[in-house]
Amino acid sequence: AQSVTQLDSQVPVFEEAPVELRCNYSSSVSVYLFWYVQYPNQGLQLLLKYLSGSTLVESINGFEAEFNKSQTSFHLRKPSVHISDTAEYFCAVRSMDSSYKLIFGSGTRLLVRP
Amino acid sequence: SQTIHQWPATLVQPVGSPLSLECTVEGTSNPNLYWYRQAAGRGLQLLFYSVGIGQISSEVPQNLSASRPQDRQFILSSKKLLLSDSGFYLCACSRGPTNTEAFFGQGTRLTVV
Repeated sequence: AQSVTQLDSQVPVFEEAPVELRCNYSSSVSVYLFWYVQYPNQGLQLLLKYLSGSTLVESINGFEAEFNKSQTSFHLRKPSVHISDTAEYFCAVRSMDSSYKLIFGSGTRLLVRP
Repeated sequence: SQTIHQWPATLVQPVGSPLSLECTVEGTSNPNLYWYRQAAGRGLQLLFYSVGIGQISSEVPQNLSASRPQDRQFILSSKKLLLSDSGFYLCACSRGPTNTEAFFGQGTRLTVV
């Protein structure tokens, strides 16, 4: 069985402050890890992913996430947020076996204030 | 790249009526297909997923069923809707195993009255 936990339902921060959105997962099989973002009134889109190799992955807009196998975590960070980063962020895992099962966490709403 | 078509965008149905939501995919063959329900504060709940025609895996026992009659067609159904079936339904696809990104449709807002 697989599960994804995002403990923070909402994270308010001021513009230019750092932020960390937490994600922990459990799985009986090896998984790929993802962060998806949903901007207001838009669909979900991929932000970044970990498949293999370096445990630190980055997105084009300054976010990064680090895969920690021992802690089964994949936290998302950004050193300085912008107003435009206000969105809902979803952590997800997809099993590496042939089921291709893809499950999501409950989401974290990031609210960036001026 | 693949495109996902979902319809209708909005649907209001009475309790006890049947449901059929359709999702079709363009731009890829043999996709992995998924149905999710999105609720505020509860994220995306996986309902069904499919790796091929006629192959359906169910995640949550409930009042819904899914079918995949063609390679790029995924249908979500119910024989009798309940009030609790109201929600936002999303179809998604991915190509595996080398292409892991999932793409989403625009969703259907279902209100059961």
